[in-house]
Amino acid sequence: QALLVESGGGVVQPGRSLRLSCTASGFAFGRNPMHWVRQAPGKGLDWVAIISYDGTRKYYANSVRGRFTISRDNSKNTVFLQMNKLRSEDAALYYCARDEGRGVAAAGTLDLWGQGTLVSVSS
Amino acid sequence: DIQMTQSPSSLSASVGDKVTITCQASEDITFFLNWYQQKAGEAPKLLIYDASSLQTGVPSRFRGSGSGTDFTLTISNLQPEDIATYYCQQYHDLTTYTFGQGTKLGIK
Repeated sequence: QALLVESGGGVVQPGRSLRLSCTASGFAFGRNPMHWVRQAPGKGLDWVAIISYDGTRKYYANSVRGRFTISRDNSKNTVFLQMNKLRSEDAALYYCARDEGRGVAAAGTLDLWGQGTLVSVSS
Repeated sequence: DIQMTQSPSSLSASVGDKVTITCQASEDITFFLNWYQQKAGEAPKLLIYDASSLQTGVPSRFRGSGSGTDFTLTISNLQPEDIATYYCQQYHDLTTYTFGQGTKLGIK
């Protein structure tokens, strides 16, 4: 059974950093691009970033570009989101999601989601 | 960036009804449009991909249609378990992705 489990969320002060992790199991992780998507409390879905299956291509939402970095370690079936210079508007439940494409930079369809990890930004 | 506008933002319908949710893109995205269902307290779930293809395991009462800028999600014979918020998502250029603001569906 394919599964994604996020971790690393917590309470952080504005301007500080946090690193999220998402560990995959039950599928060939190294073949799929991976996304991060966030959802502020009571709000809609907000796409954050994508990384290609091999980690060579990365794309970001305008709101996080230059502050957030997505990376992956295929030997550990894990994708990361390094979040720097956090702002109050970054507070959200962060989901990782599998892109259904295999061996490509992206296909654009998110077919498997984790349960999310909560990030709170507060002084 | 491509903007996605869903309507309505919320609606209520009766069990057995046919429900229609629309999604409009700010520019032509051909068929690069997905629909997701998110039940309260749960992660989103893929329903429809490529505008009209039903994801494996999704009941056939869900149907997606449209192309270009205008898309529709139709739920026939509404069931109590369909209570959820529904989101459209475009993937036209594969470097940025946009979700609609969501449509919250309730039962009368």
